Amino acid sequence: AQKVTQAQTEISVVEKEDVTLDCVYETRDTTYYLFWYKQPPSGELVFLIRRNSFDEQNEISGRYSWNFQKSTSSFNFTITASQVVDSAVYFCALMSRDDKIIFGKGTRLHILP
Amino acid sequence: DVKVTQSSRYLVKRTGEKVFLECVQDMDHENMFWYRQDPGLGLRLIYFSYDVKMKEKGDIPEGYSVSREKKERFSLILESASTNQTSMYLCASNLYSRGNYEQYFGPGTRLTVT
Repeated sequence: AQKVTQAQTEISVVEKEDVTLDCVYETRDTTYYLFWYKQPPSGELVFLIRRNSFDEQNEISGRYSWNFQKSTSSFNFTITASQVVDSAVYFCALMSRDDKIIFGKGTRLHILP
Repeated sequence: DVKVTQSSRYLVKRTGEKVFLECVQDMDHENMFWYRQDPGLGLRLIYFSYDVKMKEKGDIPEGYSVSREKKERFSLILESASTNQTSMYLCASNLYSRGNYEQYFGPGTRLTVT
């Protein structure tokens, strides 16, 4: 069975703090893709990153970084020096054999000024 | 830029009404999807379509049907709306090629059934 777990339902941090959002996935497939999406208060999900199962390189994009570890089936997302505009719901997602993407339940992130 | 549009941002319908939610994408994507989003449950897949006139059930298809007569348009139909179908409905599309599997989402339709 495929599953994505985001254990943190809600996180609050003060602006400029670093914050890590956890994502643990389950799949029996050897080829799969992992994603992170951001859903700001406006409601539209915005794609942030895609990773395939053969590429374990960590990625950094500005203040955002992602740590993919197959050994622990985790794909964690870190925001450095958080800003109020980072406040949103963040979803981790998994796709393997078919085109269906399975989403975690999301982590609501509050950045307090 | 990929654009996915949904016919309404907010919709209020009465129990028993037939409801149509429309979704249009402008990037020639093969695949289109309908999700509903509820607090604490995340996104759940209702139906998806990988080609014109093709459809596949997702995780929660009961009470819904879909139609895809043209590649760019994917409609979600609530045959007889019920209060437990009050939710946010999200449409998405993706291009099935070269590993570019990320989905692009519309702004959502918040449906209230009274």
